[in-house]
Amino acid sequence: GAVVSQHPSRVICKSGTSVKIECRSLDFQATTMFWYRQFPKKSLMLMATSNEGSKATYEQGVEKDKFLINHASLTLSTLTVTSAHPEDSSFYICSAMAAYGYTFGSGTRLTVV
Amino acid sequence: AQKITQTQPGMFVQEKEAVTLDCTYDTSDPSYGLFWYKQPSSGEMIFLIYQGSYDQQNATEGRYSLNFQKARKSANLVISASQLGDSAMYFCAMRGPPGGKLIFGQGTELSVKP
Repeated sequence: GAVVSQHPSRVICKSGTSVKIECRSLDFQATTMFWYRQFPKKSLMLMATSNEGSKATYEQGVEKDKFLINHASLTLSTLTVTSAHPEDSSFYICSAMAAYGYTFGSGTRLTVV
Repeated sequence: AQKITQTQPGMFVQEKEAVTLDCTYDTSDPSYGLFWYKQPSSGEMIFLIYQGSYDQQNATEGRYSLNFQKARKSANLVISASQLGDSAMYFCAMRGPPGGKLIFGQGTELSVKP
């Protein structure tokens, strides 16, 4: 139980376009979702915390207008990287609070060309 | 503010030997939780073990044990009888009160030699 499905697993997009990443909780209700960004062989850096039905709380230094987070239902949270640039290329991973701890999506590897 | 530190960027261990991965933390919350995750090259985060701040005994899960020294604010992971499949990045993480955000250490890349 407590599975989070994250899509897409890999995406390549052109500079200037927007990319949406979805995380769905399949067998539980995720009232809170956390979004992380990770560079190769580096730590997971928390970007924002989203709560169902309310605005996301962003960590210091994270651009709210670039990384749009929507948590419109108890089973779906989305991260949209707007006007993507090569420096936005990274591994993005979501995590949700489940009954027995945190469960993670499988991650999205974004490459902006 | 919470802080979690892993000071070993990389570690090598011989197959079948035990290895200890270090983790220290800092928090002013009396209630907190400590986690260890394994991240293979595929990127998935695999939960290994959890220790609550009020737990009296060190957590164990199969070949994984957590050496929790509260006064020293350390939560080292011990992997016994290392296997080649243990080669991966290992992250120590901490949350404050239940339901709070999880923050991660810098990670340790473990390589198991045959």
